Amino acid sequence: AQTVTQSQPEMSVQEAETVTLSCTYDTSESDYYLFWYKQPPSRQMILVIRQEAYKQQNATENRFSVNFQKAAKSFSLKISDSQLGDAAMYFCAYRKSNTGKLIFGQGTTLQVKP
Amino acid sequence: DTGVSQNPRHKITKRGQNVTFRCDPISEHNRLYWYRQTLGQGPEFLTYFQNEAQLEKSRLLSDRFSAERPKGSFSTLEIQRTEQGDSAMYLCASSPWTGGAEGYTFGSGTRLTVV
Repeated sequence: AQTVTQSQPEMSVQEAETVTLSCTYDTSESDYYLFWYKQPPSRQMILVIRQEAYKQQNATENRFSVNFQKAAKSFSLKISDSQLGDAAMYFCAYRKSNTGKLIFGQGTTLQVKP
Repeated sequence: DTGVSQNPRHKITKRGQNVTFRCDPISEHNRLYWYRQTLGQGPEFLTYFQNEAQLEKSRLLSDRFSAERPKGSFSTLEIQRTEQGDSAMYLCASSPWTGGAEGYTFGSGTRLTVV
């Protein structure tokens, strides 16, 4: 069975600095997708960034980028120029190709200090 | 389009009662998903639909849980004979299906408290 592991329950970063959130996953599949979702306190979850496993190039979305290491089954999220609004719980998620089921990690709570 | 709508936002029920939640997805999304999330944890998959067909149901889901999506539009999730362990946030999400890396759009959830 596929699993997603986030080994950092909590992280903190100073405003304007850079932070990296870790994620590892376990799968025997070769075709899949990876995602990072953000869940602010008491607010709905939103998609931050996505990565197709067949693409070697790391995805970027403005201040958010990933480091996708397929052989190591690692998918970290880098947030540059951190802002107070980035404070939230971040979830790494995996989905096998041609299925709808998204498997989430346990989450990492990010605190941004002014 | 107002996004994914879930009702009610909060539900308090007595143990043993039945509860039903409703989810209205984004109208052009043909896939709809239900997840359960307890405090400080990641969402746990329950089930999902493509149009009106239920494509997968978690083995963790007991027979007390049932979900429907008549006519491929809104969906309902019913929990029969609720137990205290059912207390959680129930999340609904929807997505289009193009065979690619579609992301989900989540609703705000229904928080269930079983007393």
